[in-house]
Amino acid sequence: SQQGEEDPQALSIQEGENATMNCSYKTSINNLQWYRQNSGRGLVHLILIRSNEREKHSGRLRVTLDTSKKSSSLLITASRAADTASYFCATDATGANNLFFGTGTRLTVIP
Amino acid sequence: EADIYQTPRYLVIGTGKKITLECSQTMGHDKMYWYQQDPGMELHLIHYSYGVNSTEKGDLSSESTVSRIRTEHFPLTLESARPSHTSQYLCASSWDRGTNEKLFFGSGTQLSVL
Repeated sequence: SQQGEEDPQALSIQEGENATMNCSYKTSINNLQWYRQNSGRGLVHLILIRSNEREKHSGRLRVTLDTSKKSSSLLITASRAADTASYFCATDATGANNLFFGTGTRLTVIP
Repeated sequence: EADIYQTPRYLVIGTGKKITLECSQTMGHDKMYWYQQDPGMELHLIHYSYGVNSTEKGDLSSESTVSRIRTEHFPLTLESARPSHTSQYLCASSWDRGTNEKLFFGSGTQLSVL
């Protein structure tokens, strides 16, 4: 399966600390995306990184992509309690009709 | 904010009832999707559409059906609801540009079948 796997499954940190989540996948991709989901709500798109890009920034978010290792990481700097949510990676596999979503990382930021 | 709307937000019904979950988007997106998600779990694609009169089954087998008569509207119907259908249903939409780009999600419908 192309489905991405996030690591860790759950992460608990103090406010102000950095949070790092990882995503691994299995086949070649066009792009990889990160989404955030607050409990009981829909997903919100955070950032998209294309296969020819290695790093991308958006505010306090930094995403890296290593296509040789088929992995990506999402770094949230200076975390806030409001960052508490589940974070999913989604891959656009080459030739696929749709995105494949990973299993998610549940982030808890303690005030 | 995404211009994609799902109704109802919550639905509690009895076994055997027919239900329709509504999803509408005002962005003119070609592709629309339905995902099923149990609490704290991954998303499973159950239906998608490339445009008007197009409907495709997703990765997860589902007893539900969908229709796409208008670009902006993609309702999901369960003819006879069962407790196993209890889940959160998420609708999404996107442009169709050859590769799979950013998805816009609705707030979801939490369905409970008693």
